[in-house]
Amino acid sequence: DAGVIQSPRHEVTEMGQEVTLRCKPISGHDYLFWYRQTMMRGLELLIYFNNNVPIDDSGMPEDRFSAKMPNASFSTLKIQPSEPRDSAVYFCASSLRVSGGKKYNEQFFGPGTRLTVL
Amino acid sequence: AQSVTQLGSHVSVSEGALVLLRCNYSSSVPPYLFWYVQYPNQGLQLLLKYTSAATLVKGINGFEAEFKKSETSFHLTKPSAHMSDAAEYFCAVSDRFGDYKLSFGAGTTVTVRA
Repeated sequence: DAGVIQSPRHEVTEMGQEVTLRCKPISGHDYLFWYRQTMMRGLELLIYFNNNVPIDDSGMPEDRFSAKMPNASFSTLKIQPSEPRDSAVYFCASSLRVSGGKKYNEQFFGPGTRLTVL
Repeated sequence: AQSVTQLGSHVSVSEGALVLLRCNYSSSVPPYLFWYVQYPNQGLQLLLKYTSAATLVKGINGFEAEFKKSETSFHLTKPSAHMSDAAEYFCAVSDRFGDYKLSFGAGTTVTVRA
């Protein structure tokens, strides 16, 4: 089975440019999460969706960040305009909440996108 | 909100020695608990999880963790370290009811000496 797919794996851009990160969750999963990982702040949850609807975006750092999930198999995280402090590894994760009456909370992570803003 | 504390940001062990990584959670109600591993330049991979069945949980790669309610702990162990265990390990907690978010600890980097 294909896991969570993220693209691009690496992105280098200049300050002020728009950056779009993409994620394809595991087929059938109903939750999707976006995280940011930095040395200083560790792993931070930015936003998560349930059935394509944003549930909690309290972790989104600024209005420069936006996320969408137009359908069950695709999500984007956009930064506009980008700044050097946005440099980090961005992870997408997906999860299946309930299956066969049992609850599952584990999340499956993609390989991440390493973003460098110059 | 749920939170976890990982004691020790770096752990160094000799090959063949015991690996012990500490995690304490803050919750009045036993939550769901997880250990994830992150190898260099990769995403996080689930090692094991506690969801209320047996308190001793076995995971992949020979790791196990014991849930101790009295100590609010979920420490990760492996009897004999391998070089391939060098990685960063994250403890995470999730509410049993309601909010579905995972809260991660700061991580512990494990190095294995030959």
